[in-house]
Amino acid sequence: SQQGEEDPQALSIQEGENATMNCSYKTSINNLQWYRQNSGRGLVHLILIRSNEREKHSGRLRVTLDTSKKSSSLLITASRAADTASYFCATDAIGGATNKLIFGTGTLLAVQP
Amino acid sequence: DGGITQSPKYLFRKEGQNVTLSCEQNLNHDAMYWYRQDPGQGLRLIYYSQIVNDFQKGDIAEGYSVSREKKESFPLTVTSAQKNPTAFYLCASGPPVGEQYFGPGTRLTVT
Repeated sequence: SQQGEEDPQALSIQEGENATMNCSYKTSINNLQWYRQNSGRGLVHLILIRSNEREKHSGRLRVTLDTSKKSSSLLITASRAADTASYFCATDAIGGATNKLIFGTGTLLAVQP
Repeated sequence: DGGITQSPKYLFRKEGQNVTLSCEQNLNHDAMYWYRQDPGQGLRLIYYSQIVNDFQKGDIAEGYSVSREKKESFPLTVTSAQKNPTAFYLCASGPPVGEQYFGPGTRLTVT
């Protein structure tokens, strides 16, 4: 079963706009990660946020984590056509096997040039 | 070049045949993973291995088998017992904690 659910399932924006994706999960976690997947390719790691962190930045990416609500958001600022991809959150459950990740269902982002 | 490779990129098989998907990494990672992805879906864990000669079932292990005889290699066999094998298969490796590094995937079509 999948731990996370992303919202929205699909998002279409214009180049230069910001894109926000949300992830909800079910159990207590050690950390939460975001990955990007271009169509038909493998996943690429974007950012990891630990359970004791509330916000993290990496370039144009901003991730927030609210463990009380079991939710996270990924903000991509000043989007580019090259950001078009699917985005997945992944969590590792406390007490679970080392680094056994559970992935969400993904958000498909389309950035129109 | 360091990385994780999967072969072949595309694989076609007839129903009832076993097929083995290759996964190799030269990142010196102890842990390796196999995931299945269906269209429009997230990844589901098939098997994982935290150390050579040891592996555990993931959430959807039925109809699959693996081996981990070498640190660098974690092949996945899709057996004829897997009822719906057509899917995109992703292999990953990683340290004990943190990000996983993914291969480019193998798209398996069984007819």
